[in-house]
Amino acid sequence: QSALTQPASVSGSPGQSITISCTGTSSDVGAYNYVSWFQQYPGKAPKLIIFDVSNRPSGLSDRFSGSKSGNSASLTISGLQAEDEADYYCSSYTTTFTYVFGTGTTVTVL
Amino acid sequence: QLQLVESGGGVVQPGRSLRISCAASGFTFSRYAMHWVRQAPGKALEWVATIIYDGTNSLHTDSVKGRFSISRDNSKNTLYLQMNSLTSNDTAVYYCARENVGATFDYWGQGTLVSVSS
Repeated sequence: QSALTQPASVSGSPGQSITISCTGTSSDVGAYNYVSWFQQYPGKAPKLIIFDVSNRPSGLSDRFSGSKSGNSASLTISGLQAEDEADYYCSSYTTTFTYVFGTGTTVTVL
Repeated sequence: QLQLVESGGGVVQPGRSLRISCAASGFTFSRYAMHWVRQAPGKALEWVATIIYDGTNSLHTDSVKGRFSISRDNSKNTLYLQMNSLTSNDTAVYYCARENVGATFDYWGQGTLVSVSS
């Protein structure tokens, strides 16, 4: 199972919106609506920010939103803030009942 | 509050074995599937293994099949990962994570570092 493809880095100015892509195949991202997104600060555990493509956990900022089209999913961060500077990973359930993560994207707030 | 606390990591020589643990609290452990996810230094997250709520079924990623084994003891609210024939490629922080509806990982432990080195 190959890792899902994400851009290595994305940057934006405070207040702007950025989008991170996550490209897989018909055996993972395209197969189910089971795409999640995680935020990870250096030296810390990942934190769930989006599940089931577009759902946010209770209490999470609505500045984070997710979508999917075909074999690709996207995470959009609107109203970019300094605290959003972190690594972001997508993940997907697969047709072999396993899971696969993305290659990871570093978000930089300019 | 809900907690997952990993332990048992350390430095181990290539070819040796190690068992790491994840102690769960704050939720009904026996109702949830659990996972191990690892992250090599400076690298991306990698799913390692999963075990269903009652321990009767499990899956492992191809790179650890035949070497690693996930298990659980619901009476002790503890998840395990037995790692045999370790290589330098297994050096990573190992996280345990709870699976929730939507095939996602909603809670993570703080991780335990396994370093394979001679």
